[in-house]
Amino acid sequence: AQKVTQAQTEISVVEKEDVTLDCVYETRDTTYYLFWYKQPPSGELVFLIRRNSFDEQNEISGRYSWNFQKSTSSFNFTITASQVVDSAVYFCALRILPMEYGNKLVFGAGTILRVKS
Amino acid sequence: NAGVTQTPKFQVLKTGQSMTLQCAQDMNHEYMSWYRQDPGMGLRLIHYSVGAGITDQGEVPNGYNVSRSTTEDFPLRLLSAAPSQTSVYFCASRGAGSGELFFGEGSRLTVL
Repeated sequence: AQKVTQAQTEISVVEKEDVTLDCVYETRDTTYYLFWYKQPPSGELVFLIRRNSFDEQNEISGRYSWNFQKSTSSFNFTITASQVVDSAVYFCALRILPMEYGNKLVFGAGTILRVKS
Repeated sequence: NAGVTQTPKFQVLKTGQSMTLQCAQDMNHEYMSWYRQDPGMGLRLIHYSVGAGITDQGEVPNGYNVSRSTTEDFPLRLLSAAPSQTSVYFCASRGAGSGELFFGEGSRLTVL
């Protein structure tokens, strides 16, 4: 079975602090994709990143960075120098490719990030 | 570009009433899906479709029906609403390959 665990239900930080959101996934398949989505208070879901299982290279995009480690089945997300606008719910998700699973996206429960000024 | 459009954005129903959540996308995506979002549970897949005329169940299909008569539209029907269906519903679509899901803005449904 496929599963995504975001153990941190809620995190509060003060502006300019660095914060890491943890994501641990479970799958027996060797080909899969991992995603991060952001859900700001307005409610829409914003795509942040996609990573396939064959690419363990870490990625940096501005203040955002992602650390993918297959050895620990983790795909953690770090925000450097957090800002109030980063306050949102962040979801990690897993998609495996075999068609019998419908290519569905399995979401973690989400982590609420509160950045205080 | 409109992307994925959901209507209505808010709806209040009484137990036993029926309604349809509409979803339309203008990106010519073959794959469309419906998720529900509940506190502490993330998003769970209700139904999905890989093309016109093809639908299948997700994790939590009970109480919901779908159809896919065109590539653009994927309505979600609640035949007899129950309080357990109070949730935020998201429609999403994806093109061929490994692309990300594009989500609608969500529909908040309350069943009294």
